[in-house]
Amino acid sequence: NAGVTQTPKFRILKIGQSMTLQCAQDMNHNYMYWYRQDPGMGLKLIYYSVGAGITDKGEVPNGYNVSRSTTEDFPLRLELAAPSQTSVYFCASSYSIEQFFGPGTRLTVL
Amino acid sequence: GEDVEQSLFLSVREGDSSVINCTYTDSSSTYLYWYKQEPGAGLQLLTYIFSNMDMKQDQRLTVLLNKKDKHLSLRIADTQTGDSAIYFCAERRRGGSYIPTFGRGTSLIVHP
Repeated sequence: NAGVTQTPKFRILKIGQSMTLQCAQDMNHNYMYWYRQDPGMGLKLIYYSVGAGITDKGEVPNGYNVSRSTTEDFPLRLELAAPSQTSVYFCASSYSIEQFFGPGTRLTVL
Repeated sequence: GEDVEQSLFLSVREGDSSVINCTYTDSSSTYLYWYKQEPGAGLQLLTYIFSNMDMKQDQRLTVLLNKKDKHLSLRIADTQTGDSAIYFCAERRRGGSYIPTFGRGTSLIVHP
């Protein structure tokens, strides 16, 4: 199993550009999550999904959108990038007790 | 204040024991976790404890849970340089979406 994969690993965006962060898991997990990690601030939940076709907002959803058309994929969309969205983004999935994390995408908005 | 609180830094000498502390606020927490994040990587589950337990031991790791004080600790015996990482405490509450709430993380620095 590849586990949770994320692409790209790094990206630099200009203010106002849009992009999609990709996340996929091959463990047939129902739950999937997007977090952002800022230095010294821990993890903040952006969006989550409890299954295909179902998504819900986390703590910090503004400026982001998600979709979950399949069990495997959970892309995160940034429509109008802002410097405040400079962060490391982690996707995770879970079945019951444990969350499995991807390696992260480091995004810089200039 | 934060729902899950941890100190930000801990520095220890190689071979000593490390104790990382965490406090949480919700008495309905069902599971409490310790995750480890190595530089440039995602988080990995280190260990977890169910709320009806007081202690859990796994090789060099000992987790202690004090439900009365809502205090969780992680002890790493014989700390090695490879243990240098950020350690996150997290709690999962009963009901709702069962999504864990994470602390800010404690950076453990192990020096020779």
